Amino acid sequence: EVQLLESGGGLVQPGGSLTLSCAASGFTFDSYAMSWVRQAPGKGLEWVSTISGNGGSTYYGDSLKGRFTISRDNAKNTLYLQVNRLRAEDTAVYYCAKPILYYYMDVWGKGTTVTVSS
Amino acid sequence: SYELTQPLSVSVALGQTGRITCGASNIGSRNVHWYQQKPGQAPVLVMYRDTNRPSGIPERFSGSNSGNTATLTISGAQAGDEADYYCQVWDSSTAVVFGGGTKLTVL
Repeated sequence: EVQLLESGGGLVQPGGSLTLSCAASGFTFDSYAMSWVRQAPGKGLEWVSTISGNGGSTYYGDSLKGRFTISRDNAKNTLYLQVNRLRAEDTAVYYCAKPILYYYMDVWGKGTTVTVSS
Repeated sequence: SYELTQPLSVSVALGQTGRITCGASNIGSRNVHWYQQKPGQAPVLVMYRDTNRPSGIPERFSGSNSGNTATLTISGAQAGDEADYYCQVWDSSTAVVFGGGTKLTVL
């Protein structure tokens, strides 16, 4: 069974940094691109970032470039998202998802909650 | 940037047919995907490439896409179908694009 398990969320002060992790199992991790999608409280889904299977290519939402860094460790079957200079508007549930050929997400994790507040 | 427009809410009587639309310029030329999200849960893929149901998704879910509108149709809606639904496309300039979401209420 394909599973994605996010971790690393929590309460962070504005201006702080955080690294989210997503542990994958049940599929050949390095054969697939991986993505992060977030959802602010009461809002819709927002694509954050996607990384290729070998980690050599990364893509980011237009409004997110510069503060977000996606990476992966294929030896550990783990996806990461580092977020710097956190703002209140970064408060959201962050989902890890497995895309099919970059185009749509067929498997989602349960999400990890990030709250940015002083 | 490419934008997808969904109605904020759609209501359907129990057992009847509900339709959720996703509008954009010439969306019929793109592949549209749909996700269902129940409160407090992660999204679930319910339709991909316009008309394809993933394994485990009931046959009462169907999709179509033509012109400027893609539609997710739920035939014989059940109480358990009450959820938020999001359409999504892949765009060459903005990558993954989601619609704003539609809250489906089953009356």
